[in-house]
Amino acid sequence: NAGVMQNPRHLVRRRGQEARLRCSPMKGHSHVYWYRQLPEEGLKFMVYLQKENIIDESGMPKERFSAEFPKEGPSILRIQQVVRGDSAAYFCASSPLADDRSGEKLFFGSGTQLSVL
Amino acid sequence: RKEVEQDPGPFNVPEGATVAFNCTYSNSASQSFFWYRQDCRKEPKLLMSVYSSGNEDGRFTAQLNRASQYISLLIRDSKLSDSATYLCVERGQAGTALIFGKGTTLSVSS
Repeated sequence: NAGVMQNPRHLVRRRGQEARLRCSPMKGHSHVYWYRQLPEEGLKFMVYLQKENIIDESGMPKERFSAEFPKEGPSILRIQQVVRGDSAAYFCASSPLADDRSGEKLFFGSGTQLSVL
Repeated sequence: RKEVEQDPGPFNVPEGATVAFNCTYSNSASQSFFWYRQDCRKEPKLLMSVYSSGNEDGRFTAQLNRASQYISLLIRDSKLSDSATYLCVERGQAGTALIFGKGTTLSVSS
């Protein structure tokens, strides 16, 4: 059973380009969370999605950022017109449960390191 | 969302030492608490859940104090391999995302 798969592992973009980050949750998981970790900072929640639904996007910047989790295929975090401040590690986590009190069912991917030149 | 507040790091300790981290949270409605470990900015991994009754796993002990709204992690007999960043994590109501602290860095030296 493969873990949470994120790709690409590293992504380099020039200012103004678009970045697409993919996350394939573990098999059977229908809950996906995206987090961003800026240099020397902690993980910051961005968005929580279930299949075809955005449950909580309170951590998403108001502009340029969007996320989806279609019925088929991976979850996509899309950043339009990237700026240098978008350079960070983006982690995806998935769970089969909406409420995992033990935390044992939440698994993180290895992350995508986005570098904006 | 308010972040959880963690002890400032780094903690530099010799092998065999006992070290304790504290973390405070502001949301009294938070339901669940965890300690995660992150190595060299790789993905965070669950270290242990934190219960009001305390939780012990080998050299690691976690405690939750709801009255004072803080959680703690105690590491006994530190090993070199314990060197990492330890993240204090809370979750509010069911179905909400985890909220991470900024982390406390531990460096264990021989």
